[in-house]
Amino acid sequence: QKEVEQNSGPLSVPEGAIASLNCTYSDRGSQSFFWYRQYSGKSPELIMSIYSNGDKEDGRFTAQLNKASQYVSLLIRDSQPSDSATYLCAVHSGGYNKLIFGAGTRLAVHP
Amino acid sequence: DGGITQSPKYLFRKEGQNVTLSCEQNLNHDAMYWYRQDPGQGLRLIYYSQIVNDFQKGDIAEGYSVSREKKESFPLTVTSAQKNPTAFYLCASSIRGQGASYEQYFGPGTRLTVT
Repeated sequence: QKEVEQNSGPLSVPEGAIASLNCTYSDRGSQSFFWYRQYSGKSPELIMSIYSNGDKEDGRFTAQLNKASQYVSLLIRDSQPSDSATYLCAVHSGGYNKLIFGAGTRLAVHP
Repeated sequence: DGGITQSPKYLFRKEGQNVTLSCEQNLNHDAMYWYRQDPGQGLRLIYYSQIVNDFQKGDIAEGYSVSREKKESFPLTVTSAQKNPTAFYLCASSIRGQGASYEQYFGPGTRLTVT
């Protein structure tokens, strides 16, 4: 089984700081990468998709992909207490034709 | 108002009973999925369907069954054969079941408790 690994956290950052969430994956053939945000007791919400090497920005969120290093990250600028949630990394495994999810990183933004 | 609905939000059952979880989408998506999430763990794929009248087992299909008679609907039955059914069940859909653009969108989930 191909794997997606994330640090479980909690990652604690002060309000206004940059939160950096990291994810590594094992399937070199993966082409599509996603970040989901999941508040406690709720379902995951898609916040970013990235398909090419480099950075992709959307508001306060930046996804970074490095296929050579099999590494994808999510940066959250100007972190707010409302960003406190678990962030799930998901990778599309071409060989298995399905999304494989990491266990998630819990982010806590404190005032 | 497009989206994915799951019902009920909370479900309680006695051990040994089968139970069916509903999932409906009006996004005109071809593919639908069922995941299970246990506390502190990632999502595990139970079943998925890329097209009407076709579905495939995921990683943890034992003790579960599905049907896909309509594009909009993908109900999941948790049978008495499932050893540890208490979990948070999530239904998702995507425009297509294959291809590079593989964004999946989730319903609100059903929290099943079996005692």
